[in-house]
Amino acid sequence: KAGVTQTPRYLIKTRGQQVTLSCSPISGHRSVSWYQQTPGQGLQFLFEYFSETQRNKGNFPGRFSGRQFSNSRSEMNVSTLELGDSALYLCASRVDTTNTGELFFGEGSRLTVL
Amino acid sequence: TQLLEQSPQFLSIQEGENLTVYCNSSSVFSSLQWYRQEPGEGPVLLVTVVTGGEVKKLKRLTFQFGDARKDSSLHITAAQPGDTGLYLCAGEGTSYGKLTFGQGTILTVHP
Repeated sequence: KAGVTQTPRYLIKTRGQQVTLSCSPISGHRSVSWYQQTPGQGLQFLFEYFSETQRNKGNFPGRFSGRQFSNSRSEMNVSTLELGDSALYLCASRVDTTNTGELFFGEGSRLTVL
Repeated sequence: TQLLEQSPQFLSIQEGENLTVYCNSSSVFSSLQWYRQEPGEGPVLLVTVVTGGEVKKLKRLTFQFGDARKDSSLHITAAQPGDTGLYLCAGEGTSYGKLTFGQGTILTVHP
């Protein structure tokens, strides 16, 4: 059974650009969450999607957005990149409709903003 | 805003020693999870505790959930170099998909 797949694994952008990150959850998992991990702030929740609907959102500016497709794959987008957006972006999936069941994390997409 | 204070932030010990990592909050969580993360990888779940006062053992690792479901601890007995890594506690409430993570403990076990 394939795990959570995130692409690209590494990318470098410059300030002002935008970036799109992709996440393919484990087959059968319909809930996808996104987290940002930085040395200073640790792991912080960005948003959660279930059945193409955003059910929850963290405290990030509107430059951070996401969506989920009918096959449960998810993308997140960051526009007008800032230096502080450099981070490891992690995607996690779970099968349940409620807050139960194990969360499975991908290996992350490491974004560097120059 | 729910916060989880995790301590210590860094731990450097010799093989065979015991250690405890703490996770404290002023908020109540419906469950508390512990993860381990290796460099270049995502966090991997070690255990989930859901009942106040619950104790779970996983080989040399013992996890406790406080009676009030606001705090938790991870105890490792006879640490080994293979235990080296970043340990994270995370609390989950009723908010969909949202885990509140502690800052993490970087554990280094020297042979």
